[in-house]
Amino acid sequence: GENVEQHPSTLSVQEGDSAVIKCTYSDSASNYFPWYKQELGKGPQLIIDIRSNVGEKKDQRIAVTLNKTAKHFSLHITETQPEDSAVYFCAATPSGSARQLTFGSGTQLTVLP
Amino acid sequence: ETGVTQTPRHLVMGMTNKKSLKCEQHLGHNAMYWYKQSAKKPLELMFVYNFKEQTENNSVPSRFSPECPNSSHLFLHLHTLQPEDSALYLCASSQESSPRTDTQYFGPGTRLTVL
Repeated sequence: GENVEQHPSTLSVQEGDSAVIKCTYSDSASNYFPWYKQELGKGPQLIIDIRSNVGEKKDQRIAVTLNKTAKHFSLHITETQPEDSAVYFCAATPSGSARQLTFGSGTQLTVLP
Repeated sequence: ETGVTQTPRHLVMGMTNKKSLKCEQHLGHNAMYWYKQSAKKPLELMFVYNFKEQTENNSVPSRFSPECPNSSHLFLHLHTLQPEDSALYLCASSQESSPRTDTQYFGPGTRLTVL
């Protein structure tokens, strides 16, 4: 089955700096890669996703890049703010079942004021 | 709010108790999921229901029993649990309009502690 590795497990940045979280996946047939943000006491919330027919997608301060050849994708947050502090999860779909999301182990992002 | 609610938010139970977790989605979705989130581990998919039919069971022990009476409600019945079952249990829903567009929306979770 699919295996998703996520790094780093913890990340601290100064407010205003950029943050980058990286994930690799094992199943070359995976074609959908969402990113979720989980704040304390809440469930994961989708913040951005990318599909295998594009290499990059942006939404204001958040961007995701996908390299299908290398089987990795990354989340980029620019101009970080304290409210960006949360746990971020990447996920990928294995072939044949878009519902079977395989999640990475999460990155605790702390934005220092 | 995501439109997915879960009750109770916190639950403490002994190993011999029987309890149930409830999930309700107000999004008109036709697929619902149970996930287990343990500390320092990725989210683990437990069960998937599509149009009220169970389509996935990821080798979950029989002490966890799901029930989906309609497309808006999902239950997880618990009995004779073990302390290692203590975790955050998350419910999610999605719309099965296309295999490539079913974004999953999560509820806030139930924090379960088994004594």
